[in-house]
Amino acid sequence: DTGVSQDPRHKITKRGQNVTFRCDPISEHNRLYWYRQTLGQGPEFLTYFQNEAQLEKSRLLSDRFSAERPKGSFSTLEIQRTEQGDSAMYLCASSLDGTGVNYGYTFGSGTRLTVV
Amino acid sequence: ILNVEQSPQSLHVQEGDSTNFTCSFPSSNFYALHWYRWETAKSPEALFVMTLNGDEKKKGRISATLNTKEGYSYLYIKGSQPEDSATYLCAFTFGNEKLTFGTGTRLTIIP
Repeated sequence: DTGVSQDPRHKITKRGQNVTFRCDPISEHNRLYWYRQTLGQGPEFLTYFQNEAQLEKSRLLSDRFSAERPKGSFSTLEIQRTEQGDSAMYLCASSLDGTGVNYGYTFGSGTRLTVV
Repeated sequence: ILNVEQSPQSLHVQEGDSTNFTCSFPSSNFYALHWYRWETAKSPEALFVMTLNGDEKKKGRISATLNTKEGYSYLYIKGSQPEDSATYLCAFTFGNEKLTFGTGTRLTIIP
């Protein structure tokens, strides 16, 4: 297992277009998290899954955002009608336990979205 | 609202010198503090997870301390090397599934 992988690494899109990102977690990890980092800020929590169930969504996740983890393996994050404010690094992480204390969180290298 | 603050925002250190930076977090309902190193174009790499007041952890030339009563953690790097150049992030959790990150300290080692 090569860790958490995210695809694509970079995405440039025009305002108003839809985009979808994919995250493949470490295979035995049942928890999967999405974070977003905008310029000058630390990563901010967006949502997380335990297996295929989406258990929490941040208020940052507007109606234009949707995340899925259909079979409890990979996850997708879709942004509809992108806005310039959506430009950010989108990070995915996975974990064996929820608190990260015993097994930690493993992050992917992120998808950088630029909306023009 | 949980605020995690890191200082300084950025730091330039001569190769071979030692350095340290600070993470401040809410002292109430503390559960764990995480430190990550994030190099450009790579994944954030976990350095330490700390849970107990007074904890000290070490990994090679990097060490960290934790004071949960006053709400701060220090990260120390001894004998800085060019490969230490990265952004160092701390993240706080009060036992739920979410990490609350600081804005990071960007460290540049000058050869």
